[in-house]
Amino acid sequence: GEDVEQSLFLSVREGDSSVINCTYTDSSSTYLYWYKQEPGAGLQLLTYIFSNMDMKQDQRLTVLLNKKDKHLSLRIADTQTGDSAIYFCAESIPTDSWGKLQFGAGTQVVVTP
Amino acid sequence: GAVVSQHPSWVICKSGTSVKIECRSLDFQATTMFWYRQFPKQSLMLMATSNEGSKATYEQGVEKDKFLINHASLTLSTLTVTSAHPEDSSFYICSAGGRQEQSSGGTEAFFGQGTRLTVV
Repeated sequence: GEDVEQSLFLSVREGDSSVINCTYTDSSSTYLYWYKQEPGAGLQLLTYIFSNMDMKQDQRLTVLLNKKDKHLSLRIADTQTGDSAIYFCAESIPTDSWGKLQFGAGTQVVVTP
Repeated sequence: GAVVSQHPSWVICKSGTSVKIECRSLDFQATTMFWYRQFPKQSLMLMATSNEGSKATYEQGVEKDKFLINHASLTLSTLTVTSAHPEDSSFYICSAGGRQEQSSGGTEAFFGQGTRLTVV
């Protein structure tokens, strides 16, 4: 199985909050990331969190990290139709090079009017 | 963040031909580049790590003779899909990184736009 796990699908009504959950396995990961991918497009980095932080907020996005449980979540406040996309969480893989990531399977978020 | 340009953005080729995908780091000297592959509705799987001036390191199950990687300069890495077949059709994405001693550890990988390869 994958080292990074996510639920595959989330449906949310416009204006509500979305919460996407992720679990990872490598406790030595330094950074954890959330990427957004729209259909046919590349990856857009939404936010990242350093492993010694518990929370990070950036406008409508809030990342929570529970290092003990190896659980990461992304909360999107006031979800809009433009937020419909696939969201990937990723952990950095400790190595002698930085930038190497292990991705989850992705969560498809569908925002309904 | 740094800008990584990947070309072409899409390509259609005949079965048996080879296709080269370029990944350029425009404003950053990338000593390391990563190549990922994404099948439809699936996650990104790391194929290989290329280090400037040395041979690439391939992940388990990736055929090094089929996916040739060259990283001859600090700003360019190429992935050549040799003798492509329909099962090689996929979305290929590169990202730029670096050696740990280059920075405090880096905060993000810089991704190209991706290349959609269709082999007919």
